[in-house]
Amino acid sequence: DTEVTQTPKHLVMGMTNKKSLKCEQHMGHRAMYWYKQKAKKPPELMFVYSYEKLSINESVPSRFSPECPNSSLLNLHLHALQPEDSALYLCASSQEGGGWGNEQFFGPGTRLTVL
Amino acid sequence: QKEVEQNSGPLSVPEGAIASLNCTYSDRGSQSFFWYRQYSGKSPELIMFIYSNGDKEDGRFTAQLNKASQYVSLLIRDSQPSDSATYLCAVNPNYGGSQGNLIFGKGTKLSVKP
Repeated sequence: DTEVTQTPKHLVMGMTNKKSLKCEQHMGHRAMYWYKQKAKKPPELMFVYSYEKLSINESVPSRFSPECPNSSLLNLHLHALQPEDSALYLCASSQEGGGWGNEQFFGPGTRLTVL
Repeated sequence: QKEVEQNSGPLSVPEGAIASLNCTYSDRGSQSFFWYRQYSGKSPELIMFIYSNGDKEDGRFTAQLNKASQYVSLLIRDSQPSDSATYLCAVNPNYGGSQGNLIFGKGTKLSVKP
């Protein structure tokens, strides 16, 4: 099973709202990732969790707050977002965080619109 | 600055032809190379990965790696209209115990005409 699931599929929120994106994998992977993808651009790495610890934060604004409750779950908490944060948010997982066996598998994404 | 370069296309090929997609990377220490296919409005799907110099074949797909030239390519044989998508080249510039962050090229849009 090479499935990564994400909820919700679509999310519309106002700039004062607080919402969360959820990601789950049951492949026994120990690294999980959040990416942001704007239209006609490649995915941009936001955060990496390796063995449930935050290992990379690519200078993401604090209005995005990641959380890894356990090795299968990854959340992204959103607060006071701006319209330019509207994008496809992708979760991915890999067996390890680097070296061999680090093929990353993406979930279907959450399409976020900030009004 | 570590970079991955791809021709943005669009690359247009007739059905049944071979589509050739190319990618160059700047970090000579890169060890892992990936090709993702992304349909419009969907998420990237891993279709090939390659770690060693040479060719790797999987069905109609062949990945080719030349580390000396810092070049990786994807060949799609017997192209089908369903292969029409954006193909993203991704490189892991690190090795063994590091963070696994991928650097993506901007993608090549492939169009297969019936």
